[in-house]
Amino acid sequence: EDQVTQSPEALRLQEGESSSLNCSYTVSGLRGLFWYRQDPGKGPEFLFTLYSAGEEKEKERLKATLTKKESFLHITAPKPEDSATYLCAVRNSNSGYALNFGKGTSLLVTP
Amino acid sequence: DSGVTQTPKHLITATGQRVTLRCSPRSGDLSVYWYQQSLDQGLQFLIQYYNGEERAKGNILERFSAQQFPDLHSELNLSSLELGDSALYFCASSAGQFAYEQYFGPGTRLTVT
Repeated sequence: EDQVTQSPEALRLQEGESSSLNCSYTVSGLRGLFWYRQDPGKGPEFLFTLYSAGEEKEKERLKATLTKKESFLHITAPKPEDSATYLCAVRNSNSGYALNFGKGTSLLVTP
Repeated sequence: DSGVTQTPKHLITATGQRVTLRCSPRSGDLSVYWYQQSLDQGLQFLIQYYNGEERAKGNILERFSAQQFPDLHSELNLSSLELGDSALYFCASSAGQFAYEQYFGPGTRLTVT
């Protein structure tokens, strides 16, 4: 069965203090690893899709990387508006089209 | 704004009742997915429709059902509601049957009292 584990559960950073969020996964036949951002009471917002080990994608202060067992979401010089819950999800060859989500990392960036 | 719309935004109802949640996908998207998000379980996949046909099922209860109409909007029907059904219900859409990126709507918050 697919397993997606995100760590830490919560992270508090000062503005400008770079850090990384981790997503460890166990799937048979990865068909994509996804990162989403979710603000309280809102729907998840799509950020990145990674398909193969070694792949990297960037968007503003965020960079996502992928290895065979985990993915990292690096946040460089974060700002308070980066505060949100970041969700990782996987899609494997056996799950049809559904995404299997981790429980997320709640990020708070203070001024 | 993802382009996916959901109504209503909030719904408060009593145990044993039945409710219908509605979703309109992004323009041109043929696939619709329903997810449930609760504090303890996180985001859980319920069901997927593609161009009017059911394509995949997750841990959807027998009391729950869904359909996708010819205009591609979808409805999720929840019946015999229990306190534990209180959650956020999200609809997502993607361009095709095999499209990987899913775009989420703003959700419907269901409270069962």
